Amino acid sequence: AQSVTQPDIHITVSEGASLELRCNYSYGATPYLFWYVQSPGQGLQLLLKYFSGDTLVQGIKGFEAEFKRSQSSFNLRKPSVHWSDAAEYFCAVGGGSNYKLTFGKGTLLTVNP
Amino acid sequence: NAGVTQTPKFRVLKTGQSMTLLCAQDMNHEYMYWYRQDPGMGLRLIHYSVGEGTTAKGEVPDGYNVSRLKKQNFLLGLESAAPSQTSVYFCASSYSTRGAGDPYEQYFGPGTRLTVT
Repeated sequence: AQSVTQPDIHITVSEGASLELRCNYSYGATPYLFWYVQSPGQGLQLLLKYFSGDTLVQGIKGFEAEFKRSQSSFNLRKPSVHWSDAAEYFCAVGGGSNYKLTFGKGTLLTVNP
Repeated sequence: NAGVTQTPKFRVLKTGQSMTLLCAQDMNHEYMYWYRQDPGMGLRLIHYSVGEGTTAKGEVPDGYNVSRLKKQNFLLGLESAAPSQTSVYFCASSYSTRGAGDPYEQYFGPGTRLTVT
């Protein structure tokens, strides 16, 4: 069975600082990997995705993520955080023929001015 | 193009009451999903559908039923609501055979906040 671990429940950074959110997955074959963002009271918006090819993927809002098969990781990064990035971030993994995603429990990002 | 819409946005039920949540999508997607989101638990899959007339159980199906009579609609029913079903419910859809979309890339609705007292 596939699973996702987001080790950090809550991260606080200062505006302008760099950000890295961790995601570790478990899946037997090449996974489909996603990062979603959820602003308070809103639905989930796709930030970026990895299916194959270049292991460094670019997303919206200046985010990027790197797939590392050897570490079973798909960490999300941003070089300079803006106050509007404050939200909850979810990593998800998919694979197999049932087209389901398994989500991590999320990381809440707080941005200090 | 409205994407995925959910009705209602908010609802308060008393224990034992029933209700139906409606999810509609206008992207001609084949697959649809119902999740619940609880603090610290992430999103957990309740039921899903891979096509009109088909449904399947997800991770937490107990106490819920679903139907997909039309391709664009996916209904989630609570026959006898319990306080443990207080949650935010999200619907999602994916994969159009007419487009280049990937079946794993899900599009989410805005959510329904349900409180059961």
